Amino acid sequence: DAGVTQSPTHLIKTRGQQVTLRCSPKSGHDTVSWYQQALGQGPQFIFQYYEEEERQRGNFPDRFSGHQFPNYSSELNVNALLLGDSALYLCASSPPGQGFEQFFGPGTRLTVL
Amino acid sequence: GDSVTQMEGPVTLSEEAFLTINCTYTATGYPSLFWYVQYPGEGLQLLLKATKADDKGSNKGFEATYRKETTSFHLEKGSVQVSDSAVYFCALAPRTSGTYKYIFGTGTRLKVLA
Repeated sequence: DAGVTQSPTHLIKTRGQQVTLRCSPKSGHDTVSWYQQALGQGPQFIFQYYEEEERQRGNFPDRFSGHQFPNYSSELNVNALLLGDSALYLCASSPPGQGFEQFFGPGTRLTVL
Repeated sequence: GDSVTQMEGPVTLSEEAFLTINCTYTATGYPSLFWYVQYPGEGLQLLLKATKADDKGSNKGFEATYRKETTSFHLEKGSVQVSDSAVYFCALAPRTSGTYKYIFGTGTRLKVLA
């Protein structure tokens, strides 16, 4: 049983560009959450998707947007990249009815130059 | 708002030493509590969890007890190994209706020397 998968593994962009990160949840999971982990810090909640809608959002600007597809996979989009967006972006999935239990993927390392 | 406070690292121990990493939290109601471990270059792995007061989570020799009276969830291991070297994160999941996000501490780096 594959766990949570994310792509790409690493990404380098320049300021002002746009980026899309992808996440496939664990089999049978229907909820996907995204987190940003800056170097040396704990992960910060960006938003969570359930039934193809954003269920909750953290303190991130509108430049951060997402989408969930009917197969429960998800994308995170970041527009107008800033140097401060450089971080490890983690995706986590949860099984039905158990929103408290989150399983994390390996992350995508985004570097903004 | 809800928050998690962890002891600052790095923590450096010799192999077979006793480990304690302190974690305290502030939350409305009774959150679920978690410890995650992150090895270099990897994502987060769930180490253990506790969902109500006095619950003890345990895994791979690590233990933590949910203490409501002291709002704490300290991580302990009786005898650490070099392979335990990693960053450890304490996290809470609030139980308020409609709130599903995890709130993490800043992490504690553990280095175990042979």
